[in-house]
Amino acid sequence: GALVYQYPRRTICKSGTSMRMECQAVGFQATSVAWYRQSPQKTFELIALSTVNSAIKYEQNFTQEKFPISHPNLSFSSMTVLNAYLEDRGLYLCGASDRVEQYFGPGTRLTVL
Amino acid sequence: AQKVIQVWSTASRQEGEELTLDCSYETSQVLYHLFWYKHLLSGEMVFLIRQMSSSTAKERSGRYSVVFQKSLKSISLVISALQPDDSGKYFCALWELSSFNKLTFGAGTRLAVCP
Repeated sequence: GALVYQYPRRTICKSGTSMRMECQAVGFQATSVAWYRQSPQKTFELIALSTVNSAIKYEQNFTQEKFPISHPNLSFSSMTVLNAYLEDRGLYLCGASDRVEQYFGPGTRLTVL
Repeated sequence: AQKVIQVWSTASRQEGEELTLDCSYETSQVLYHLFWYKHLLSGEMVFLIRQMSSSTAKERSGRYSVVFQKSLKSISLVISALQPDDSGKYFCALWELSSFNKLTFGAGTRLAVCP
């Protein structure tokens, strides 16, 4: 079956520091990986969509300078939250897709102190 | 402007009852898919059911089914014979062919099922 792992599951960082989260696809080829953020009391917002052999596309209000993403192969992606502040807290979800089906990881919950 | 709208933020039912969760959406695309997911407290996002815009079939998966009214741009999730384990947050999501694997989520509806 298709599985998506994310780690760490939970992390706490000090304001102004950075943290990296990873997404691992197992059992299928993740030709595209979407990173979402659910801020407190909000729905899931797309941060960026990464497709192998294509440029990473960031949504409005999200930039590569703030959320650099790496998608080096068909099973792995990572995203870093640089200079994290209070507004960056929330649940970060990785959605990995082979074609139409998108499989989600359990998320990385980020707390910023 | 919101593209996927779930009007009800919360809902509650008794065990054994049936529930309909409403979702409306906006799109100018001809081809698109609609998904329903259940988001667990653990963080896991569980896929429930998918409706393709090109399909007229009434999609059903176990106790989950959808009512798809394409002309009204509405997709409702029906959960029959509710169980306490059905409690959780349900998200409607729109995937448009032009956006290639980008999902736009609604705000979600939190469901509580009482024994």
